[in-house]
Formats: sequence, C-alpha cells, structure tokens
Amino acid sequence: ETGVTQSPTHLIKTRGQQVTLRCSSQSGHNTVSWYQQALGQGPQFIFQYYREEENGRGNFPPRFSGLQFPNYSSELNVNALELDDSALYLCASSLPGPQDTQYFGPGTRLTVL
Amino acid sequence: RKEVEQDPGPFNVPEGATVAFNCTYSNSASQSFFWYRQDCRKEPKLLMSVYSSGNEDGRFTAQLNRASQYISLLIRDSKLSDSATYLCVAISAGAQKLVFGQGTRLTINP
Repeated sequence: ETGVTQSPTHLIKTRGQQVTLRCSSQSGHNTVSWYQQALGQGPQFIFQYYREEENGRGNFPPRFSGLQFPNYSSELNVNALELDDSALYLCASSLPGPQDTQYFGPGTRLTVL
Repeated sequence: RKEVEQDPGPFNVPEGATVAFNCTYSNSASQSFFWYRQDCRKEPKLLMSVYSSGNEDGRFTAQLNRASQYISLLIRDSKLSDSATYLCVAISAGAQKLVFGQGTRLTINP
C-alpha cells in the first residue's frame, strides 16, 4: 500500500452537477497531483499542488479546480459535469523536486449520467 | 500525435511464453522512463524504471533507445499473474507530470 487514500471510491452524478473528490497524501509528501483516466486510456495529468499552490496544469478546462490544505491533503472539484467526465480520478503524492516517483491512491470512479 | 504511444493490444499469450511491448515517445526533452502495471479497476503501480543501458528485474527486461525514442518491455516465462495493463510513462526534466501511454492489455492464458 502507498499510504495515499482517496474518497469516495465510487460516485454517480448527473450532467450539470458538481463533484468534490478528496485525497490524503502519504505522510511527509507535500506535493499532490491529480490524473484523469478514461476507460481504455492512460491517466492524463490534470494539475499538481505544492504547498497549497497550483504548480502546473494539464489541458483541462477551468471547471476542473483544486485545493490543497495545510496538512497536504487535497480536493479536486469539477463543476458543470459532462458525460465525458466519467473516469477514474487518481491522486498521486510525492516529495518536492524531480517528480519521477509518485505514489498513487486507489482512485475514485466517477460516473456521470 | 500523442506524446507517448503504445500498441493497445490486447495481447493474449499462453503461460510460459515470452512477450514484448513497445512504446515510442515524441518529446525529445523526455528524460526518465518507466513501466507501470495496472490491474483491472486498480491504480497504476510502478513496475520498473528504464535505463539507457537496459535493465532487468527477474523475468522483466526494459530497454531504452534515445536515438529512436523507443522503449520496450520484455516478459519472459509469463505467469497467469502477469495479466494486466502495462503503461509506458515518460517525464521531462523539471516537469511536474508523468505522461502515460494508452496502455497495452496483456492476458496470459493457462
């Protein structure tokens, strides 16, 4: 086990709703990255947080936003859900510096109907 | 064009066979490379890093060819437990994100 936890494990929402996913990083890790993995695809980088600030963002619209808290836990918020947002959302924690080693949580599976 | 490309498979091979996966990357700034394994409905887990000189970990051998921007993974004497999706991953120096390929699905048949 990586020590990275995510909640909830599964979630069903309808189009237009908003969702918040949560991640607790491995002890001592102050950097959290979020990835979206659609069915049959590899994970795609959404953004990264370091010391409560966004530290890099992938090609995702502004309705994907995040937060990091002083205890390094993090939230991913998605507004105005679309059917294509259905995916496995993965959180990964790491130490600052080279991001070669990221520890993934079990993911939250979001279904948008 | 995707930054990291893999043959999605699926590959169905008998137990004991040798199987090879290939991966190409388009970003010449990519510096570090990895193979991850992902079981159905689970998170990706690091299988091994890939070094320019090639490296081996038990039945698994990884190779990197920087000139051709090509990475490979060889699995010898495959086991039923090797059935999974194998993801090729690259990261550029100083970058925050891991760039994943689509993944290659492997099923080992008894």
